[in-house]
Amino acid sequence: EPEVTQTPSHQVTQMGQEVILRCVPISNHLYFYWYRQILGQKVEFLVSFYNNEISEKSEIFDDQFSVERPDGSNFTLKIRSTKLEDSAMYFCASGYDEQYFGPGTRLTVT
Amino acid sequence: EDQVTQSPEALRLQEGESSSLNCSYTVSGLRGLFWYRQDPGKGPEFLFTLYSAGEEKEKERLKATLTKKESFLHITAPKPEDSATYLCAVQATSSASKIIFGSGTRLSIRP
Repeated sequence: EPEVTQTPSHQVTQMGQEVILRCVPISNHLYFYWYRQILGQKVEFLVSFYNNEISEKSEIFDDQFSVERPDGSNFTLKIRSTKLEDSAMYFCASGYDEQYFGPGTRLTVT
Repeated sequence: EDQVTQSPEALRLQEGESSSLNCSYTVSGLRGLFWYRQDPGKGPEFLFTLYSAGEEKEKERLKATLTKKESFLHITAPKPEDSATYLCAVQATSSASKIIFGSGTRLSIRP
């Protein structure tokens, strides 16, 4: 059964450093998403991506965030200058009405 | 502002004891309502999409229903493996793709 994969599973970084989170969506899906979940809180929408451009973004997705589909399979989320409050679980998803989520990357900013 | 409220926050049931989880929503126009299951430390797992009031969907011991203001997830004769957090989410007609999640109901089934 096809699934969304994410790497790394856990990333520790220092405040101010750049991080890139990677995702491989399900191959025939056209919509891709990033969500985050701070420990004990709701899953929050960050951004959706369709046809090689951002379809929609939330107020959380400010200038420090960017997304890219560098090739035919990968989908990345870059955080330019991490802050302590960026510590969270980041989920990639693909699909449309049925969104399939990856296992997540736990980002810890120290 | 679009909003999703789930109740109860936590629910403990005995194996075989049926119950319902509630999801109340406020949205300018509903495009779709979604139910997900989330196990600790994992990503949400898609369960159902409902589009219009009166619609029902079933999968094994789970049945989701939708009215104009709320959705219910009915769980019949649950088993310990049904223990998880159940998330409700909505997408507004004004949104191309953004979905808004509720805080979830943490369900625990005792053997």
